[in-house]
Amino acid sequence: QSVLTQPPSASGTPGQRVTISCSGSSSNIGSNTVNWYQQLPGTAPKLLIYSNNQRPSGVPDRFSGSKSGTSASLAISGLQSEDEADYYCAAWDDSLNGPGVVFGGGTKLTVL
Amino acid sequence: EVQLVESGGGLVQPGGSLRLSCAASGFTFSSYSMNWVRQAPGKGLEWVSYISSSSSTIYYADSVKGRFTISRDNAKNSLYLQMNSLRDEDTAVYYCARDAHTPDGDYVPFDYWGQGTLVTVSS
Repeated sequence: QSVLTQPPSASGTPGQRVTISCSGSSSNIGSNTVNWYQQLPGTAPKLLIYSNNQRPSGVPDRFSGSKSGTSASLAISGLQSEDEADYYCAAWDDSLNGPGVVFGGGTKLTVL
Repeated sequence: EVQLVESGGGLVQPGGSLRLSCAASGFTFSSYSMNWVRQAPGKGLEWVSYISSSSSTIYYADSVKGRFTISRDNAKNSLYLQMNSLRDEDTAVYYCARDAHTPDGDYVPFDYWGQGTLVTVSS
């Protein structure tokens, strides 16, 4: 299973606010920044949030991120049908076994 | 415009080898660290390997250590992944992905991705 823990699914109706959680440990989220990726069906992932709460140019401000301790969350407000996608959290992991980037298992967001 | 274009995927038998390439354009390739990330069919994302801008630092996921080798040619703006001793569980779409850093020095993994190349390991 994945090093970071995300719920496998989430859902909401248009206009609602949904949040997706991401739980890690002291070697990853606890000591490094968290990034979020959106993967629309059949496409490559795209950077959505970086450095815990920063949006790349072009990402709507409906998307926001936060981090506290060894957990992080992604919030989507004013949910739209085009937000239906898979969402992944990721962070650098300073593991003594070998550093690298670790991902969450992904959360499939359904817009009802 | 940043572009990353992977190639080299295909069908290979278990125990076989394959070399993936990623052609980069639209940015100063030699200034950025790069990665390979894979996604098995219907599964989540898995980081595979990292290489620094000068190739001085390289990391691998435990699942591929000793079998895969990442390299780059800054003169050709290209990233490579040599995959040996391939197993069924290596079947995946392999993405080439660029790293970035914020002005404050935060590491931002995978700010740009290629479209991916499919590797199928099967007899």
